[in-house]
Order: sequence, then C-alpha cells, then structure tokens
Amino acid sequence: GAGVSQTPSNKVTEKGKYVELRCDPISGHTALYWYRQSLGQGPEFLIYFQGTGAADDSGLPNDRFFAVRPEGSVSTLKIQRTERGDSAVYLCASSGGTGSDTQYFGPGTRLTVL
Amino acid sequence: AQTVTQSQPEMSVQEAETVTLSCTYDTSENNYYLFWYKQPPSRQMILVIRQEAYKQQNATENRFSVNFQKAAKSFSLKISDSQLGDTAMYFCAFIPSGSARQLTFGSGTQLTVLP
Repeated sequence: GAGVSQTPSNKVTEKGKYVELRCDPISGHTALYWYRQSLGQGPEFLIYFQGTGAADDSGLPNDRFFAVRPEGSVSTLKIQRTERGDSAVYLCASSGGTGSDTQYFGPGTRLTVL
Repeated sequence: AQTVTQSQPEMSVQEAETVTLSCTYDTSENNYYLFWYKQPPSRQMILVIRQEAYKQQNATENRFSVNFQKAAKSFSLKISDSQLGDTAMYFCAFIPSGSARQLTFGSGTQLTVLP
C-alpha cells in the first residue's frame, strides 16, 4: 500500500507570509506526528494527533504554528508570519496508534523562508 | 525527559566490511522501544531495526543487528557486508511505552560506504 505522503516537496516563501504543509498518512493509521528537522540535526517533535484531536502539542515552538486533522486522516501544519528561522524540513509520520507502534515517515517538505 | 546521544558525527567503511554505530540514551523509564532509522539524501526516514527493551535478545534484520545493553543504556547498530546503498545518515531514536508518543532522536551519524 501507499506510504506517508507530503506535499509540497519544497516550499519557498518570503518572510511574513503564511504557509500550509500537508500530510497524508498510511491508510488506517490513527496516530499522526509532525517533526521539524534543521540542517545537520535529528528531527524534533512538534505535535501528535490521535484521531482528530491533538493529543500532545508541547513541541510547537510558538503560537504561529498550528496543525489540524479534521477528519482523522489528512493533516495540515500551518505557519503564520513565517520567519527565516522556520526554514527546515518538516517531517510527518504515522503509526497504528498504540505506544509500541513503529512510526513511518513521509519524504518531508523542505521549507525555505527568504 | 529522555536524551539520545550519538557521539560519532561521521564514519566511513569499505564496501563489504563491517561497521558499528554507537548510541547511548538516558531515561528513567523501564519499558521503552529503541529504533535505528536511515535517512539518505532523498530525506525519506526509513526504519532499519527496532528493539523492545523488555526483550533480552538483540534484534536482527538481515545485515543489520543491534547490541542492546539495557543496564549501560547502550544501543549500537552493526552493519555487516556494507553496501554502497547503505550510505546515509543514521539516527538512533527512543520512545517510552505507555502514554507518551513522541520519538526522541539523536543527532545522527553520517555513514559513507567507500567502493
């Protein structure tokens, strides 16, 4: 079956603009995660959804970042008033939803804020 | 809070030889899972191997095996018969069992397999 997909693959925007990044998880996976990976570093957790609700959003850096998953499948990460420091690869992962399940990652979206 | 440390930023190995990547972690949890992920230049994070902390037996997956030392909080990855396609960044990751869901990653080791 299809893996996790993310669109767009690359996004270039200007400082101050609004961006949306989309994640389509593996069919049937109830848990969805967003991570941010800066150059040369490991991914850092942003937010986790179980079904439609955000079970843990403790990794969101500030209130410019917001994510939704209205129907429990596709998720959108939204960044308002982008800053140059937001430039990174944004990774999405999904899992079956229990604590032991392996997370499967998408190819990521590379965001560049000029 | 959990931390994961990979002390080797870069490593290289000759094709067909064996290499070991190191990982240590710190946690107060007793039940957890450890993973090695591979990230080639395509950016796709690919699962290599997984270890459940309550299992004494080290996980193996074809040419990949781990040396899991729970008391020492060590989780190294051994790659046998290295292939050019193994060239990638390798990340060690930790997740506690139970209610927590986020993976904690190390900083990665860039492995280059030389022809």
